[in-house]
Amino acid sequence: DAGVIQSPRHEVTEMGQEVTLRCKPISGHNSLFWYRQTMMRGLELLIYFNNNVPIDDSGMPEDRFSAKMPNASFSTLKIQPSEPRDSAVYFCASSSGLAQDTQYFGPGTRLTVL
Amino acid sequence: SQKIEQNSEALNIQEGKTATLTCNYTNYSPAYLQWYRQDPGRGPVFLLLIRENEKKRKERLKVTFDTTLKQSLFHITASQPADSATYLCALYTGFQKLVFGTGTRLLVSP
Repeated sequence: DAGVIQSPRHEVTEMGQEVTLRCKPISGHNSLFWYRQTMMRGLELLIYFNNNVPIDDSGMPEDRFSAKMPNASFSTLKIQPSEPRDSAVYFCASSSGLAQDTQYFGPGTRLTVL
Repeated sequence: SQKIEQNSEALNIQEGKTATLTCNYTNYSPAYLQWYRQDPGRGPVFLLLIRENEKKRKERLKVTFDTTLKQSLFHITASQPADSATYLCALYTGFQKLVFGTGTRLLVSP
């Protein structure tokens, strides 16, 4: 299996622009998680889906952030409009719901908002 | 408030020694805890899971989880330079949800 796939790996954009991050989970996994990692706050859960349904979005910072999972093999995290404080590494992870919820992380997207 | 604390300073040790990393938490009641390793520029990778008041060994790793002390200790014995990485603890808080600590950076010198 290819593991969790994220794109793009790096994104540089200007304040006010829309940013879309993409994730393909491991085939057969039924849960998908979006995290944000910064030096100051560490790894924070933004939102997670189970069977394509959002279960907990309490970590989404504000209305500028939205996430979708239209099918079992694809999810997006959108920031509109982006701000410099959104600069971070965004990780997607997936889990099968078995094996005590071990999460498998993608390589991350490093986002820089100028 | 809920908090997970790991050594904020980097841990520097000599090759061959035992590295001990700590994970302390407050105001959580996790049924189990996981440890992950993260290398620069990569996502975290699962290492092991430990249940309440369990002691576990996996190759050179020795881990404890004491719910009275609200602490997990993660030991790497006979450490090697290849063990250099950031190690994250993660508490299971219900329905597939993990809350991660900020991680401890381990540097093993030859």
